[in-house]
Amino acid sequence: DQQVKQNSPSLSVQEGRISILNCDYTNSMFDYFLWYKKYPAEGPTFLISISSIKDKNEDGRFTVFLNKSAKHLSLHIVPSQPGDSAVYFCAASAIGGTSYGKLTFGQGTILTVHP
Amino acid sequence: DTAVSQTPKYLVTQMGNDKSIKCEQNLGHDTMYWYKQDSKKFLKIMFSYNNKELIINETVPNRFSPKSPDKAHLNLHINSLELGDSAVYFCASSQGGGSAPLHFGNGTRLTVT
Repeated sequence: DQQVKQNSPSLSVQEGRISILNCDYTNSMFDYFLWYKKYPAEGPTFLISISSIKDKNEDGRFTVFLNKSAKHLSLHIVPSQPGDSAVYFCAASAIGGTSYGKLTFGQGTILTVHP
Repeated sequence: DTAVSQTPKYLVTQMGNDKSIKCEQNLGHDTMYWYKQDSKKFLKIMFSYNNKELIINETVPNRFSPKSPDKAHLNLHINSLELGDSAVYFCASSQGGGSAPLHFGNGTRLTVT
């Protein structure tokens, strides 16, 4: 019963192009969404987040889009750089609920950016 | 100046043993967590503590016992280890539990043989 799904296990893009990572969720109680990046042998690091009251949030090369009706979010990286090569996790939480700080993660997408 | 540090990084042990993983954060956060990354790579919450009080216990077997001596530390003790406990365990912290992002440690890879 995975409430957050990243259906693409991997993505390969050329340096300078756009990377688009997708995430779907099923729990309508989720109202806050985050993306984390993870390098091998390290813990996930926070990248960008979005509240359900917004449909877009931008931070430099990273933009997250949220489509609540479709229960879908995506992370756009433009332009992609080789240093962006990592595993990207989508995560969701229900801030208004009693799940204090609980994040539900997807299974991750391995992004490889080729020079 | 590591923000969230956990030790050991690797832990290999036999079934039936008892082991502990330690976690410390120097970010001044009031909430700490343990997450487990299983063989399918999903990160799942196990416990969260706010100001040393247990907030979330996510149906984890009672062989797992977290202990928070103070706000900066959250240790995980595991009794009678089983093969299925093999995983990577991540400690994390945040300031509050709402929209504050989690800061993760680098993980402890536990292998039970």
